[in-house]
Amino acid sequence: QSALTQPASVSGSPGQSITISCTGTSSDVGGYTYVSWYQLHPGSAPKLIIYDVHKRPSGVSNRFSGSKLGNTASLTISGLQAEDEAEYYCCSYAGSSLWMFGGGTELTVL
Amino acid sequence: EVQLVDSGGSLIQPGGSLRLSCAASGFTFSTYDMHWVRQPTGKGLEWVSGIDTAGDTYYSGSVKGRFTISRENAKDSFFLQMNSLRAEDTAVYFCARMSNWLDSFDLWGQGTTVTVSS
Repeated sequence: QSALTQPASVSGSPGQSITISCTGTSSDVGGYTYVSWYQLHPGSAPKLIIYDVHKRPSGVSNRFSGSKLGNTASLTISGLQAEDEAEYYCCSYAGSSLWMFGGGTELTVL
Repeated sequence: EVQLVDSGGSLIQPGGSLRLSCAASGFTFSTYDMHWVRQPTGKGLEWVSGIDTAGDTYYSGSVKGRFTISRENAKDSFFLQMNSLRAEDTAVYFCARMSNWLDSFDLWGQGTTVTVSS
């Protein structure tokens, strides 16, 4: 199994919006609504920020939003803030109780 | 406090064995599926293994046959027994809780480092 495809890096200025894509196949991203996104700061535990494609856990800013079209899911962060600088990973259920992560995207806030 | 505390990582020689532990607190451990996810140095997250509430286990292709996941509900803990370790198993290993709706990993440990090297 190959990792889901994410851009290696994205950047944006404070206040701007960015979108991170996550491309899989019909056997994972395209086949299930179990797509989630995680924020990872160096040395810290991953944090769930989006689940079920577009739902936000309690306490997560509404500046984070998710969507999916076909085999590609997307995470959008609006109103970029310095604290958003981190790595972001998508994850999808891949059937048979298996899970797949994306390769990760490093977000730089300029 | 709701948390997971993982431990057991160390430097180990290729071919060796290691057992990781994850202690849960602040929630009813026995009612949740639990997983291990790793991050090799400089690389992305990789799902490793999961165990459901019934004790059924699941593994990624890269560790199947070498790693064994288990849980001890009486001690609110679960484990990853890693055998025949290889250099490519070097990573930070995170324990993670699967949400009640079985759709995402909603709670994570801080990670424990496994280094496989001679």
